[in-house]
This record gives sequence, C-alpha cells and structure tokens, in this order.
Amino acid sequence: AQSVTQPDIHITVSEGASLELRCNYSYGATPYLFWYVQSPGQGLQLLLKYFSGDTLVQGIKGFEAEFKRSQSSFNLRKPSVHWSDAAEYFCAVGAHTNAGKSTFGDGTTLTVKP
Amino acid sequence: NAGVTQTPKFRVLKTGQSMTLLCAQDMNHEYMYWYRQDPGMGLRLIHYSVGEGTTAKGEVPDGYNVSRLKKQNFLLGLESAAPSQTSVYFCASSSGRTQYFGPGTRLLVL
Repeated sequence: AQSVTQPDIHITVSEGASLELRCNYSYGATPYLFWYVQSPGQGLQLLLKYFSGDTLVQGIKGFEAEFKRSQSSFNLRKPSVHWSDAAEYFCAVGAHTNAGKSTFGDGTTLTVKP
Repeated sequence: NAGVTQTPKFRVLKTGQSMTLLCAQDMNHEYMYWYRQDPGMGLRLIHYSVGEGTTAKGEVPDGYNVSRLKKQNFLLGLESAAPSQTSVYFCASSSGRTQYFGPGTRLLVL
C-alpha cells in the first residue's frame, strides 16, 4: 500500500528566507508524486508533479521539488518565501496502476513572518 | 473551461437527513473521485469510479453511496447524515495521472 508522511506539522519562516518542506513516501515501484497548496477555505492547487525523468522538477510560484529514490523523499523547496506563500501544503503519491488514486499526507502549515 | 465543479458549496443538515453532492467535469476524464478533508488531516478517499456505470470503495466509504450514471457526473449521497460526516468534500477527476480538484463542499451536520 502507498503512504505519505509529512514530518512537519507546522513551519514558520521569515519572509525572504528559504523554505524546505519534507515529504517521505512508501510505494513499491516508481510513484507519481505531487505537491499541492491550499489557502484557507479554498480548494487544492497543484504546484508541481513528478512522473519520470529529471528528478528536479519546477513548479508554479517559484517552487521546485527533488525526487530522491534512495531516500524515498520528494521535498519541496523555494529559495525566497513571500508572505503570500502562507498556506497549507500537501504531498501526495499516486500509482501507475491504481486508477489514478492518490494518497495524501496530513499536510504542513506554513506561517510567514514579516 | 469550467474544469471540475461541485454543487452545493455549503450545506447544513440535521442528523438523519439525506442529501446528494454533485460533481461535474468537462474534461472527458474516465476517473472520478470523492475525498473528505478533516482538520489536521489530508484528503481521504471515500469512493471512486473508473468509468461510467462503475464505482468502487475507497479508504472511508461507510455512510456514503455514489453513482456515475453519466461520464461527466459523479454523485455522492448521504442517506442518513451523522455529525461525524461534518467535513469538507472534494471531488476530483483524472485521465490516470494528474487529478484535478473541484472547489469543495462544506457540510455541517448538526
């Protein structure tokens, strides 16, 4: 069975500082990996995705993530955080042969200090 | 291009009442899903469908039923609502890789 762990429930960073949100997954083969962002009271917006190929993927809003098979990780990074990045971030893992279903982590809430 | 839409956006029910949530997609996707999201947790899969006329149970199916009579629509029903079903419900559709989510339905069961 596939699973996702986001070890950090809540992270606080200063505006302009760099950000890394951790995600560890469990899956038997090469997974599909996703990062979503959710602002309060809103739906989920896809930030980036990994299916295969280059292990460093670029997303929207200046985010990137790196797939590390040896560590079963897919950490999200941003070099300089903006106040508007404050939100909840979800990592998800999908499967090639599982009807496109995704399993989500419990999320990391990002607070940005001025 | 509307993508995935959900109706209604917000609803309050009394315990024991029934209701149906409607999800519609205009991307001709084969797969559709219903998730629920509770505070401090990620999304959990309730039911899903791999095509018109098919449905299957997800992680938390108890207390819910679904139907997919048309490819573009996926209905989620609560026959007898319980306070434990207070949640935000998200519908999604997919061609098999990336899921596209609707805006959500907030349901409060008193």
